[in-house]
Amino acid sequence: EVQVVESGGGLVQPGGSLRLSCAASGFTFSSYALSWLRQAPGTGLEWVSTISASGASTHYADSVKGRSIISRDNSKNTLFLQMNGLRAEDTAVFYCARMYTSTFGYYYYIDVWGNGTAVTVSS
Amino acid sequence: AIQLTQFPSSLSASVGDRVTITCRAGQDISRTLAWYQQKPGKAPTLLIYDASTLETGVPSRFSGSGSGTDFSLTISSLQPEDFATYYCQQFNTYPLTFGGGTKVEIK
Repeated sequence: EVQVVESGGGLVQPGGSLRLSCAASGFTFSSYALSWLRQAPGTGLEWVSTISASGASTHYADSVKGRSIISRDNSKNTLFLQMNGLRAEDTAVFYCARMYTSTFGYYYYIDVWGNGTAVTVSS
Repeated sequence: AIQLTQFPSSLSASVGDRVTITCRAGQDISRTLAWYQQKPGKAPTLLIYDASTLETGVPSRFSGSGSGTDFSLTISSLQPEDFATYYCQQFNTYPLTFGGGTKVEIK
């Protein structure tokens, strides 16, 4: 079964840091791009960051650029999101997701989502 | 960023009704659009990708159409398990963006 499982969320003070992890199983991890997305309480979905299968290419939302780093360890089938300078508006459920190649070539849609890990930024 | 305008933001419908949700992109995204369903407290699940391709395992009452800037998701006969929030998402260009969501409620 294809599965991604997030961990590392919790309560952190404003200005603090957190490292989220995502453990994958059931597929060839090193062949897929992966993403982090989030959903603040009572709101819609927001894309956060994507990393290519090799890890050589990354993309970030403006809302986290400069404060977050996405990385992966293909030997351990694990995705990471290091978040620094956390703000109250970063409070959300963070989802890890697998990206699947579209039939149109170099485009990738999200086909598998984890159950999420909750991050709360509050003093 | 490519803006996706989704409407209606909510609707009330009965079991058996035909329901259509519309998603409009701020620029041409060809067919690089996906639809997701999200139930309360759960992660989203993929319904449709490439604008009209049904994900494996998704009931055939769900269908997607459109290209360019105008897209739609149709549920041909609403079932009790379909009451949820639906999101469109473009994967043409970074940043990836989502529509605001459509909450489908029981009438």
